[in-house]
Amino acid sequence: EPEVTQTPSHQVTQMGQEVILRCVPISNHLYFYWYRQILGQKVEFLVSFYNNEISEKSEIFDDQFSVERPDGSNFTLKIRSTKLEDSAMYFCASSELIVYNSPLHFGNGTRLTVT
Amino acid sequence: QQPVQSPQAVILREGEDAVINCSSSKALYSVHWYRQKHGEAPVFLMILLKGGEQKGHEKISASFNEKKQQSSLYLTASQLSYSGTYFCGTETGTASKLTFGTGTRLQVTL
Repeated sequence: EPEVTQTPSHQVTQMGQEVILRCVPISNHLYFYWYRQILGQKVEFLVSFYNNEISEKSEIFDDQFSVERPDGSNFTLKIRSTKLEDSAMYFCASSELIVYNSPLHFGNGTRLTVT
Repeated sequence: QQPVQSPQAVILREGEDAVINCSSSKALYSVHWYRQKHGEAPVFLMILLKGGEQKGHEKISASFNEKKQQSSLYLTASQLSYSGTYFCGTETGTASKLTFGTGTRLQVTL
């Protein structure tokens, strides 16, 4: 069964450094998302992406964050200058159709630790 | 606004039933349910669309009351494999995001 893959599984970085989290969504999916989860708590929406542009973003997704689909397969989340509070599990997800009636398929996540 | 789930946590013996509720302050167009096991990604269970339908497969089913902006997940004859954290995800008409609820931690014991 096709799956969403994320790399790396764990990233440790120093405060102020830039990080890029990578995702390969399921190949026939059109909608892409980033969520984050702090210490097994709530799953927070960051951004959704469709047709090479951001569809919606949350208040968390400020100027320090950006997303890109540099080629036909990868979907990346960049954090320009990491803060301690960015430490979390970051999940990429994709859906075949609009989220109204299409399930989200999640990757296994990237655990980001900012020291 | 994040949907509120209740209860926050529940412990069951194998074979017992449970109900998990999800309540939103916003009008809902669809509700998703996901289960997340410790250290893993959320896994999709089911979607309920506007229309008040009830869906289910095997011993897990759900209902959606759009007038009350609520959904409930029903787990019957629970198995050890049902343990995990359950999240509802609500779509409120933007069609571009799912907002996840506060989560319900379910533990099934022997």
